[in-house]
Amino acid sequence: EIVLTQSPGTLSLSPGERATLSCRASQSVSSSYLAWYQQKPGQAPRLLIYGASSRATGIPDRFSGSGSGTDFTLTISRLEPEDFAVYYCQQFGSSSWTFGQGTKVEIK
Amino acid sequence: EVQLLESGGGLVQPGGSLRLSCAASGLTFSSYAMSWVRQAPGKGLEWISSISGSAVSTFYADSVKGRFTISRDNSKNTLYLQMNSLRAEDTAVYYCASRVLAYFDYWGQGTLVTVSS
Repeated sequence: EIVLTQSPGTLSLSPGERATLSCRASQSVSSSYLAWYQQKPGQAPRLLIYGASSRATGIPDRFSGSGSGTDFTLTISRLEPEDFAVYYCQQFGSSSWTFGQGTKVEIK
Repeated sequence: EVQLLESGGGLVQPGGSLRLSCAASGLTFSSYAMSWVRQAPGKGLEWISSISGSAVSTFYADSVKGRFTISRDNSKNTLYLQMNSLRAEDTAVYYCASRVLAYFDYWGQGTLVTVSS
């Protein structure tokens, strides 16, 4: 099973700042099979990025994804108040889907 | 608009059983693979099971294999999760989600399952 490790665990930033979230896989992951989700308290997760770099429907262009192999990144170019949340990466491989443990982006 | 509405959660004793349902609307249900993902209180997301659109293929995480069964009724646009031999560590919010090959595009709001005596 591929393990995804996200860093940092918590990111403390101010609105308007740039956020860079990392997701590292224990084995190589196909870029087509890497996604990112946002979850706010009391809400279901929301798909942000699929295929490592494609934005889901309705996702603002301040969200971008990049990476390949074992290292993937989610970047939020300028944090808006509504972006403070927990972010998860997720991969698919060998008929199994796994999530990272999450990165919390909090207001500094 | 796609809507997924879970139901069937509640309090159950260890060793007990529960069946969750997920009613779907706004999508061609039979064309979509579906999944269950859970989240223990204060914890991260855990995929537990998926089923193909035709129900021919099913997949399970090791943590629930042999205890949980995923199924669907395409005539009713409904997904199910039969959970047997429940344990305290199965306590979580259970989400149903539609799946496009490798990722989960639409999610329900979740139903809470609490396993406790």
